[in-house]
Amino acid sequence: QLQLQESGPGLVKPSETLSLTCTVSGGSISSSSYYWGWIRQPPGKGLEWIGSIYYSGSTYYNPSLKSRVTISVDTSKNQFSLKLSSVTAADTAVYYCARERRGYSYVIYNWFDPWGQGTLVTVSS
Amino acid sequence: QSVLTQPPSVSAAPGQKVTISCSGSSSNIGNNYVSWYQQLPGTAPKLLIYDNNKRPSGIPDRFSGSKSGTSATLGITGLQTGDEADYYCGTWDSSLSAGPVFGGGTKLTVL
Repeated sequence: QLQLQESGPGLVKPSETLSLTCTVSGGSISSSSYYWGWIRQPPGKGLEWIGSIYYSGSTYYNPSLKSRVTISVDTSKNQFSLKLSSVTAADTAVYYCARERRGYSYVIYNWFDPWGQGTLVTVSS
Repeated sequence: QSVLTQPPSVSAAPGQKVTISCSGSSSNIGNNYVSWYQQLPGTAPKLLIYDNNKRPSGIPDRFSGSKSGTSATLGITGLQTGDEADYYCGTWDSSLSAGPVFGGGTKLTVL
């Protein structure tokens, strides 16, 4: 059974860089059928997709965050990582990693399953 | 402001049926498949429905999905207290800001 687990600091200072890692177990991150994504959820609010990566290193990001986001993959460790620079209090959220299925069959199909348990990152001095 | 619009809350009694709507546009729901997620209190979202109306293994058939035009609907029959959760719709948006998008979420209360 595929499992994902986020790890990283729970507290980041304003203007610094948030760094998180997602470790995938029970399956290979090098599967050709899937992307690997990051999604966040501010306290009491909805879900926001941050960006995704393919095992080859190909990335795509939410345009609203693109200038501050870097996602990378380490296939040897079965991990992928998120870096979000110049953080502010507005970046305080639970950050989830998830496996993303995306493809095209006349229309685009896209969903996230499974998800990691999430990790709360607070931006505060 | 979410790209997809959901009602903030719905409620129904145990054993009853409830529907949750998700409204979008031609750049998202109108031309792409829809997924639905259940988020129980304090937990991560869980995939309930994908490709408009398909259920992953282990999801009971009390949960169903449908799509018409630029709107989608999640249906839950035989409501149980354990169904109290936030529900989110998701899809791909093919506009200039191409990528996955979600609704704002709907809080289901089982009275």
